[in-house]
Amino acid sequence: DAGVIQSPRHEVTEMGQEVTLRCKPISGHNSLFWYRQTMMRGLELLIYFNNNVPIDDSGMPEDRFSAKMPNASFSTLKIQPSEPRDSAVYFCASSSGLAGRADTQYFGPGTRLTVL
Amino acid sequence: AQKITQTQPGMFVQEKEAVTLDCTYDTSDPSYGLFWYKQPSSGEMIFLIYQGSYDQQNATEGRYSLNFQKARKSANLVISASQLGDSAMYFCAMREGGTNDYKLSFGAGTTVTVRA
Repeated sequence: DAGVIQSPRHEVTEMGQEVTLRCKPISGHNSLFWYRQTMMRGLELLIYFNNNVPIDDSGMPEDRFSAKMPNASFSTLKIQPSEPRDSAVYFCASSSGLAGRADTQYFGPGTRLTVL
Repeated sequence: AQKITQTQPGMFVQEKEAVTLDCTYDTSDPSYGLFWYKQPSSGEMIFLIYQGSYDQQNATEGRYSLNFQKARKSANLVISASQLGDSAMYFCAMREGGTNDYKLSFGAGTTVTVRA
């Protein structure tokens, strides 16, 4: 089975540009998570979707960040306008939403974003 | 307060030897799950092993085992017969019960370097 798919794997952009990160969760999973990883702050949860509905976006840094999940197999994280401090690795993860071990979050390969 | 504490920032281990990675956690919730993830230099987050708070036996997955000491609130990962491919960062994480039961709290990680 395919795991979580993210694109692009690497993105280099200039300050002020719009950046869109994409994620395809594991088929059948109904929970989707976006994380950001930096050396300074470690792994931070940005937003959590359940059945395509945003449940918790308290980790989204500011209004420049937005996330959508138009259907069960696709989600986007958009940064507009991007700033150098947004440089990080962004992970998408999905889980089944069931209890216990079955609710393990499986991570995608990540998108390494560099904002110049 | 930190929910997950990993006190070993880095460790060296000889190939074929076992290594124990420490993880202590803090929660007052009787229902929780503990996870270990591996992050190699390529960057992806790989799920290794899960332990539920009500599980009677320590979890094992191949060469990975979890030394779960509930009273001490510790969940140490043991990697047996280390291989060069085990060189990576290892993260301990916890998911608590309750209304925020989707959230994973991550430790700062431990870097393991396996020497030939």
